[in-house]
Amino acid sequence: GAGVSQSPRYKVAKRGQDVALRCDPISGHVSLFWYQQALGQGPEFLTYFQNEAQLDKSGLPSDRFFAERPEGSVSTLKIQRTQQEDSAVYLCASRGVFGTGELFFGEGSRLTVL
Amino acid sequence: GESVGLHLPTLSVQEGDNSIINCAYSNSASDYFIWYKQESGKGPQFIIDIRSNMDKRQGQRVTVLLNKTVKHLSLQIAATQPGDSAVYFCAENRRGGSQGNLIFGKGTKLSVKP
Repeated sequence: GAGVSQSPRYKVAKRGQDVALRCDPISGHVSLFWYQQALGQGPEFLTYFQNEAQLDKSGLPSDRFFAERPEGSVSTLKIQRTQQEDSAVYLCASRGVFGTGELFFGEGSRLTVL
Repeated sequence: GESVGLHLPTLSVQEGDNSIINCAYSNSASDYFIWYKQESGKGPQFIIDIRSNMDKRQGQRVTVLLNKTVKHLSLQIAATQPGDSAVYFCAENRRGGSQGNLIFGKGTKLSVKP
């Protein structure tokens, strides 16, 4: 597709369940970012990939959060043993150039943990 | 739709008026800034960017002003239209952080009255 694609758009999980959120970046974009956006807040950085290498995961809130991008294209954000505070929109963004520049965002995956 | 913006600062303007949205950033080492627009249920969309070696940049109907002395950024929208109604975020790239890792502000909700 032409833009960043995320799935599922909506996910409802019971507390304690594991979830996996998928991101298809724009074709050819080497940089991929995950952000978490709580209701009424700005996006907060989670992690960053350059191709398949995870260069920064300082924003992951706990060891229950794990992200991968094994072939340098599609990325998956996994959250284990979900808690209610994990409820948020998870945004994926990609960028085609190295260094600073515009990030192209997907529509996000809204996670609700009951 | 979702209720993004319930607790955000709100700017209400009349259609056709000019809008000014302000943002204070925190890190004097930041060297790149972006304004994003986010409509309900969608991901952030790029509006305009500016590097720290500039103090003004103009786009179509939008102008960004950067005052590094007081660490202030503003977005001016000329002849505001109903389609401009959204939440607006400023974001900064901090030199030394992950390449392109943007730190987002809390956002301002713009409401345009027809």
